[in-house]
Amino acid sequence: SQTIHQWPATLVQPVGSPLSLECTVEGTSNPNLYWYRQAAGRGLQLLFYSVGIGQISSEVPQNLSASRPQDRQFILSSKKLLLSDSGFYLCAWSIGLGEETQYFGPGTRLLVL
Amino acid sequence: KQEVTQIPAALSVPEGENLVLNCSFTDSAIYNLQWFRQDPGKGLTSLLLIQSSQREQTSGRLNASLDKSSGRSTLYIAASQPGDSATYLCAVINSNSGYALNFGKGTSLLVTP
Repeated sequence: SQTIHQWPATLVQPVGSPLSLECTVEGTSNPNLYWYRQAAGRGLQLLFYSVGIGQISSEVPQNLSASRPQDRQFILSSKKLLLSDSGFYLCAWSIGLGEETQYFGPGTRLLVL
Repeated sequence: KQEVTQIPAALSVPEGENLVLNCSFTDSAIYNLQWFRQDPGKGLTSLLLIQSSQREQTSGRLNASLDKSSGRSTLYIAASQPGDSATYLCAVINSNSGYALNFGKGTSLLVTP
């Protein structure tokens, strides 16, 4: 069966520090991968998606970047965190684009102080 | 731009009641609509996915309907239980954007014993 992992589970970082969140998927090949953010009082927002190694599409301009160094690994990064980057970050995967269910990881809660 | 609205924002019912959660969306050109469950501080669990050509899907005590032309979906929960307490999220994928799940802000459900 397929599983999706995210770490760390919780992170507290000072403003201006770098960020690296990792997501890995097991039990499937060539998944489509997604990064979402859930900010307080707001709905889930898609940040990035990837259809293959090295292929990243950004949905919104922001202080963050994403990379996919391996087929089942998706990394969310920032060089300098802002207060507004605080939120709950969720990674998801799917087989098809659009027509298939997206399966979500357990999330990383980020607090920027 | 697709807007997804969920009503009510919060709901409290006694155990055993049947209940209906509502979701509306502004752009009817969708690929599919999905209902998710989110427990506090956790990731999302997919409950039901309705393709744009379908009218409803059922899983156990859950039934989701879709009226694409009017931009509405309902999630019906029969014989509610305290374990159903969670936030329920509705999300759609637009036919013309392909990949992004557009989420509502959710309905927070509390089922009291």
